Amino acid sequence: GQSLEQPSEVTAVEGAIVQINCTYQTSGFYGLSWYQQHDGGAPTFLSYNALDGLEETGRFSSFLSRSDSYGYLLLQELQMKDSASYFCAGHSGGYQKVTFGTGTKLQVIP
Amino acid sequence: KAGVTQTPRYLIKTRGQQVTLSCSPISGHRSVSWYQQTPGQGLQFLFEYFSETQRNKGNFPGRFSGRQFSNSRSEMNVSTLELGDSALYLCASSQWPAQGSTEAFFGQGTRLTVV
Repeated sequence: GQSLEQPSEVTAVEGAIVQINCTYQTSGFYGLSWYQQHDGGAPTFLSYNALDGLEETGRFSSFLSRSDSYGYLLLQELQMKDSASYFCAGHSGGYQKVTFGTGTKLQVIP
Repeated sequence: KAGVTQTPRYLIKTRGQQVTLSCSPISGHRSVSWYQQTPGQGLQFLFEYFSETQRNKGNFPGRFSGRQFSNSRSEMNVSTLELGDSALYLCASSQWPAQGSTEAFFGQGTRLTVV
């Protein structure tokens, strides 16, 4: 089976930096994605890591360590609009089998 | 380029009935996945289709089924509805093979309420 664990809630101040962690247990793992979902909206893709290390996309960065079965999403220069739920998603198998993490609700406060 | 279209957006059904949900993927995308989202269980993978074949399946009972047509459009069916089936059902499309990207594009979902 597969499982991905995330903190359920995180609160951070506008303009600050926040890190959302994801630990996983999955067989046949080959990569980790991150998605953002605003209340009432559809999940939208943020990033994907297949290799160890940091991937940067604007204010968002994602990190993966396969040896530690761990990844994180780093959000810099937080804005109020970043308040949303964030999901890590583990990719496994030879096809598009995706297991989503438990989700982290981020609240950005002034 | 049109996004992923799911119909209907909202649905109310009675216990014991069956329901069919539809998903039209982004043009050119051949992989379609379905997810159930509930407040308590989060996003759970139902199944994934590619070229009219189910490639992957999640841990859901046989009441949940799906299919994909030659134009990549997909439907999922839930028979003998239970109150616990009330959820947001999301469809996601992606290119396959991954071609360097695993990005999935989600539709707005179908909100199913079973009463």
